[in-house]
Amino acid sequence: DVKVTQSSRYLVKRTGEKVFLECVQDMDHENMFWYRQDPGLGLRLIYFSYDVKMKEKGDIPEGYSVSREKKERFSLILESASTNQTSMYLCASSHGTSSGANVLTFGAGSRLTVL
Amino acid sequence: GENVEQHPSTLSVQEGDSAVIKCTYSDSASNYFPWYKQELGKRPQLIIDIRSNVGEKKDQRIAVTLNKTAKHFSLHITETQPEDSAVYFCAASMSGGFKTIFGAGTRLFVKA
Repeated sequence: DVKVTQSSRYLVKRTGEKVFLECVQDMDHENMFWYRQDPGLGLRLIYFSYDVKMKEKGDIPEGYSVSREKKERFSLILESASTNQTSMYLCASSHGTSSGANVLTFGAGSRLTVL
Repeated sequence: GENVEQHPSTLSVQEGDSAVIKCTYSDSASNYFPWYKQELGKRPQLIIDIRSNVGEKKDQRIAVTLNKTAKHFSLHITETQPEDSAVYFCAASMSGGFKTIFGAGTRLFVKA
């Protein structure tokens, strides 16, 4: 019962290409997130969204943009891919409440290699 | 902003022994501390969490402790089994907040 689906598990792109990473959740969650996972650095937040058409920068937004046109879908865009963006990208979602814990449900990840 | 440090980066134990992973956080406003387990090739999954109004929480072989004054929290796994081998991430956030900040991760090896 996959609840957060990332459309591409593995991608290989060339420097300068535009890259789209898609994420869809079926839990009617308000919040969606894009993290980048690198060995020794843990999970670093790139962007998040707490509502349709809303987006906020995380800790490492440079070189990325996002789009959230529908509640269930959150896209990460690399306008011009560079080799230092080679990484594992994890999408996550959570049911946001004003007092509740921010429990994240993750997708399986998209491993991007930029040559 | 919040910063979470996690130690050790790698931990190797014999099956049946205990394992302890420690984290510190910087923002005293953080009040929710989850732990995620990521098995090889799989997605991170929540295994246990603790709020700042609680000092300890236990779920079978795993427990988490929190020292708010020192801004420390730890994961304890007792009677380790090979299936406990994974990368464990601690994290910190504010209830109702949007940002969850993760530690760098601890790779746990349980030797049979």
